[in-house]
Parts: sequence; structure tokens; C-alpha cells
Amino acid sequence: GESVGLHLPTLSVQEGDNSIINCAYSNSASDYFIWYKQESGKGPQFIIDIRSNMDKRQGQRVTVLLNKTVKHLSLQIAATQPGDSAVYFCAESLTGYSTLTFGKGTMLLVSP
Amino acid sequence: NAGVTQTPKFRILKIGQSMTLQCTQDMNHNYMYWYRQDPGMGLKLIYYSVGAGITDKGEVPNGYNVSRSTTEDFPLRLELAAPSQTSVYFCASSYSVFKGTDTQYFGPGTRLTVL
Repeated sequence: GESVGLHLPTLSVQEGDNSIINCAYSNSASDYFIWYKQESGKGPQFIIDIRSNMDKRQGQRVTVLLNKTVKHLSLQIAATQPGDSAVYFCAESLTGYSTLTFGKGTMLLVSP
Repeated sequence: NAGVTQTPKFRILKIGQSMTLQCTQDMNHNYMYWYRQDPGMGLKLIYYSVGAGITDKGEVPNGYNVSRSTTEDFPLRLELAAPSQTSVYFCASSYSVFKGTDTQYFGPGTRLTVL
């Protein structure tokens, strides 16, 4: 299928490693943040979200960290698997506004 | 639930032709969105709707039109296709902000080529 990974920052890891994907968001007033995973030829899939009243939130094998001081968001994936290979997007929003602003994305490549 | 469905999956248009991209959701979401995604880029919002009969422009609305006559359906219309509209189009939906979440759920996409 058509690649969405051209010209994207790329993170290459070995299977079993922990991966950290970073995102700098643009609006200091944003109070809701989401990470999406997009596999080749598919639509974005929700991974995890966090609101601005939290610094950290954990899911299954994933953790999102929020640093509002420097407007930085990170996604940590534990024990990365080949099935985690995809493009990862962060998105930000502001409560009361119905739109999301997406970052450019990072491609994660996991080698067996 | 089927979630968000889009048709067609692929389409090739000639310059100046028109077409409608279909989007349907069965989650009773009030909010629906259309995005385009160019190679190596993120998602850009074309139009969105906060409920039946209500639509609003996003970041890149030129060359497109939408309508929202029902909660379930949100078609995107291209009237005079141009090569610049070659892209992958994604439809998404979400709960109302009153539900306390803005998570958007995406369809599988329509890959459009204009020659």
C-alpha cells in the first residue's frame, strides 16, 4: 500500500527493546492529548490518551508522559514487538473544541 | 459494531470529474470529520460536523463540500477534481465533548488519485 512513512523521523529498535517516541505539541492551552498508531494502508488506531491534569498514564505495554512546562509528550512502548512497527502520531485538543491537531508522525521499525 | 466505514477503498479520477466519498458510523457519535493525508505527512482536517445539519470548515476545505443529513452519514464531495487532491482520505467520528472524551475513531481510508 501507499507509504505514509516518507520523510518521517524514524526510530529503529530491536525486538524486546523499549521504545520511546517523542512529540512536541504546539498549543500551551491544549488539555487533551492522544497517541495514534497507523499501520501501512490503514486508518489511525487509538492507543492511549491523557488529560493535562495528569503527568503519566499507563496502558497495556504503553505509557504516555506529559510535560506541560516544555510542551512535550512521549509514548513509551515496553518490550517492543514486530507488530508495533507503524507510524505513530500525537494529537492535541482543547476541551470544548471538537477538533484535534495532529503532529507529523514518527515511524517505528522493529527488527526481529 | 462495524465502527466507521468508508467507500470506495480506491478511486482514480480524471481532472474535472466529480465524486462523493461515503462515510458511515454506527456508534451513534455526534461528531464526524474528514481528513486528508498526503505521503509522509500528518492528517489535515477538511471539514467536520458536530451533529446532523451542522458542518464547519477545517484547515483545508477548498475544493470540497460536505453535508450531514443524518447522524450516521457524512459524505465528502469533490466537484472538480484536481491533481492536488490526490491523497488518502480518512473519515472519523467521536463522542460529544459532553461525554468527557474527544477520542476520534477512524475509518480505513479512501485512496484517491487524480490524473
